[in-house]
Amino acid sequence: ETGVTQTPRHLVMGMTNKKSLKCEQHLGHNAMYWYKQSAKKPLELMFVYNFKEQTENNSVPSRFSPECPNSSHLFLHLHTLQPEDSALYLCASSQEGTSGLRTQYFGPGTRLLVL
Amino acid sequence: GNSVTQMEGPVTLSEEAFLTINCTYTATGYPSLFWYVQYPGEGLQLLLKATKADDKGSNKGFEATYRKETTSFHLEKGSVQVSDSAVYFCALSSNTGNQFYFGTGTSLTVIP
Repeated sequence: ETGVTQTPRHLVMGMTNKKSLKCEQHLGHNAMYWYKQSAKKPLELMFVYNFKEQTENNSVPSRFSPECPNSSHLFLHLHTLQPEDSALYLCASSQEGTSGLRTQYFGPGTRLLVL
Repeated sequence: GNSVTQMEGPVTLSEEAFLTINCTYTATGYPSLFWYVQYPGEGLQLLLKATKADDKGSNKGFEATYRKETTSFHLEKGSVQVSDSAVYFCALSSNTGNQFYFGTGTSLTVIP
């Protein structure tokens, strides 16, 4: 596989469920990101991992828990979500440390519906 | 601070019409500028980019020129096709830190 992959592509869960989203990048990058895209809202950066260390956490509720076991994999663990958390969750990666070339490459997203 | 402002949509054009989607930015330092496209049901795809003033990014008939004097990076295409229907996002990457700043997106619909 090439690029950035995400699984599952679609997920329906109840508010008491626990699920995880998975992202894998095959680009040799050293930084990975989780974004939330809701209808009619700007893209929201949730988490940034740079060299496997979390460097940004934009005040995301604790019901979202990221995990980055290595530079190629990123997870988003979900528990006791709310209906307003329904959105498209996008993963991205980039190669940091190269001046002026912070192009982010995105996965196809996981469409999440919380009932 | 850093921010991106792009024109409100939706934009509806007839096939072969000329397209302009405006994007202006505010940034500290020397940002890189990007246009991403999102087709229905998919993630964002990099369309083109420019890393310094006066650079022109181009891809698939789309062009955008990095204008430092007007802090703009407008997206243009001379003749749009139905397959160009998508949401277009302008973005900047600061040369400090590793955060991207996205515009709110502009929805384009091209009708035959």
